[in-house]
Amino acid sequence: AIQMTQSPSSLSASVGDRVTITCRASQSIRSGLGWYQQKPGQAPKLLIHGAVSLHSGVPLRFSGSGSGTDFTLTISSLQPEDFATYYCLQDYNYPYTFGQGTRLEIK
Amino acid sequence: DVQLVQSGVEVKKIGESLKISCKSSGYTFRNYWIAWVRQAPGKGLEWMGIIYPDDSDAKYSPSFEGQVTMSVDKSISAAYLQWDSLKAADTAFYYCARQTGTNPTYFDSWGQGTLVTVAS
Repeated sequence: AIQMTQSPSSLSASVGDRVTITCRASQSIRSGLGWYQQKPGQAPKLLIHGAVSLHSGVPLRFSGSGSGTDFTLTISSLQPEDFATYYCLQDYNYPYTFGQGTRLEIK
Repeated sequence: DVQLVQSGVEVKKIGESLKISCKSSGYTFRNYWIAWVRQAPGKGLEWMGIIYPDDSDAKYSPSFEGQVTMSVDKSISAAYLQWDSLKAADTAFYYCARQTGTNPTYFDSWGQGTLVTVAS
């Protein structure tokens, strides 16, 4: 199975900061990567699909980049509602696999 | 609107069987893969497997193969996840999610989650 290594595992930041979360795949997954946000007590929510495509309704401050093995989720200017846990998911090859998650906390 | 509504909280004992459900509405159920995702208390997301309702083609993660069974009932647009003999380690939230698209593909609609607690 493809391993997804996500970093950092946690991150403290302030409102207005620019933050970057990365995922590295153990082999090429081309653009088969999605980013999901999960808030406590809620189901995950899709942010980015195909590594770079913003899902409908997701604020423009979220962006994704990368292909092959290295991927990045960037939040350009953190808002209070962005403090949550973020996961990457490779959907290129079965079994699909999640990264370990990044918990984004308020500094 | 697309909706996935999961069955409610379950409290079971070790060794008991269980079947939880995910009922879909607002789209043609048979044409979209449905995945199951586990989240143990305080832990990350784990992809368990995926099933195609039209022909019940199922793909399991090796970690879950033989431990759970996915199934569907097209007549009521429902997907199921079942255990024959629960373990304490099965205690978790379980989410169903609809897969959309072909290239790329993604999970755009999720159920609210079902909490399964397995006690001794």
